[in-house]
Amino acid sequence: DAGVIQSPRHEVTEMGQEVTLRCKPISGHDYLFWYRQTMMRGLELLIYFNNNVPIDDSGMPEDRFSAKMPNASFSTLKIQPSEPRDSAVYFCASRPAGTASGEQFFGPGTRLTVL
Amino acid sequence: DAKTTQPNSMESNEEEPVHLPCNHSTISGTDYIHWYRQLPSQGPEYVIHGLTSNVNNRMASLAIAEDRKSSTLILHRATLRDAAVYYCILRATSSNFNKFYFGSGTKLNVKP
Repeated sequence: DAGVIQSPRHEVTEMGQEVTLRCKPISGHDYLFWYRQTMMRGLELLIYFNNNVPIDDSGMPEDRFSAKMPNASFSTLKIQPSEPRDSAVYFCASRPAGTASGEQFFGPGTRLTVL
Repeated sequence: DAKTTQPNSMESNEEEPVHLPCNHSTISGTDYIHWYRQLPSQGPEYVIHGLTSNVNNRMASLAIAEDRKSSTLILHRATLRDAAVYYCILRATSSNFNKFYFGSGTKLNVKP
């Protein structure tokens, strides 16, 4: 299994531009999570989906952020317009339903730099 | 949200045991204790979890205090590859069971 796949691995953009981060979860996993990691705030949950439906988006910082999951094998996190304070590493994670551990499997992350 | 308290950093010698402590005095009776670790430039990975009893797996052991207000992750023989940030997380069994609060973790340095 290839694990959770994220693209791009690195993104550098200018303030005001639209940024789209992509995630392919592990096949068969029912839950998908988007996290953001910064030095100041650590690792924060932004939103998570169950069976492609957003369940909790209370961690999304503001309306500039949006996430979609059009099918079980693909999700996007979009920032429009981007700002320098959005610079962070964004992780996608997935997990199957019904496991006792609730173990989440994380991707390698996308390092976003907004100039 | 129940919070955990961990030392910012710890140091260990290679091939020696490491005990990583975590305090969670506000833990509720149904919260699970999870440990994840994050190697440099990687996403977090699951290490172990438990509820009341001590747990062992191929990666580590988890010792849980009788009152559940603290726990200790034990790496029996640290290797250089174990250098990472270790997060102690409380996982609720309520509607928030999918929401992990990672905190700042303990950065473990392993010396050769």
